[in-house]
Amino acid sequence: GAVVSQHPSWVICKSGTSVKIECRSLDFQATTMFWYRQFPKQSLMLMATSNEGSKATYEQGVEKDKFLINHASLTLSTLTVTSAHPEDSSFYICSAKRDIPYEQYFGPGTRLTVT
Amino acid sequence: QQQVKQSPQSLIVQKGGISIINCAYENTAFDYFPWYQQFPGKGPALLIAIRPDVSEKKEGRFTISFNKSAKQFSLHIMDSQPGDSATYFCAASKTNAGKSTFGDGTTLTVKP
Repeated sequence: GAVVSQHPSWVICKSGTSVKIECRSLDFQATTMFWYRQFPKQSLMLMATSNEGSKATYEQGVEKDKFLINHASLTLSTLTVTSAHPEDSSFYICSAKRDIPYEQYFGPGTRLTVT
Repeated sequence: QQQVKQSPQSLIVQKGGISIINCAYENTAFDYFPWYQQFPGKGPALLIAIRPDVSEKKEGRFTISFNKSAKQFSLHIMDSQPGDSATYFCAASKTNAGKSTFGDGTTLTVKP
């Protein structure tokens, strides 16, 4: 299957700082990428959908000023958690959609811990 | 309103047995139904997917059965192995509409 990478795989940051997570589709062009958050033993919670070259569409309840998403190219999307707080600690997973054939692939996830 | 309902929440199967996980959807516009396998601390991995024009798709030990009239689809894992122990998510989406709707997940434990 197609490969989606995420970097970093884990990060620890202090409260009040910002953290950037990168998501890359390595062997296909992704016009659409998704960012999810997952709490322990729970399903995937969609945070936002990003399309290359346009503003991201955020799900209800997700603060767009706190979770900045940039889809800079057909292979790269970034999520920046601004002014992080301990409650932002979570497992963040990106996903990239391939159009032909239509399939959605996930990255390995990033474990964020805010101290 | 939950558009994709997955059951059971957890499942314990003996090695060599058949694991069956079920999903039901509501939106008849959905036309893509994948299953994902997730191990602890890892991202979900696409396992197998089906479209509504076929009733069954098999890849190795994994089979999707699809019932369009009942709006249900299921994942069958034949000859289940301890290495299959993971959380499985079903999903549904409209091909040209972007985001997928996920089930709540099923934690499968295969006992040796």
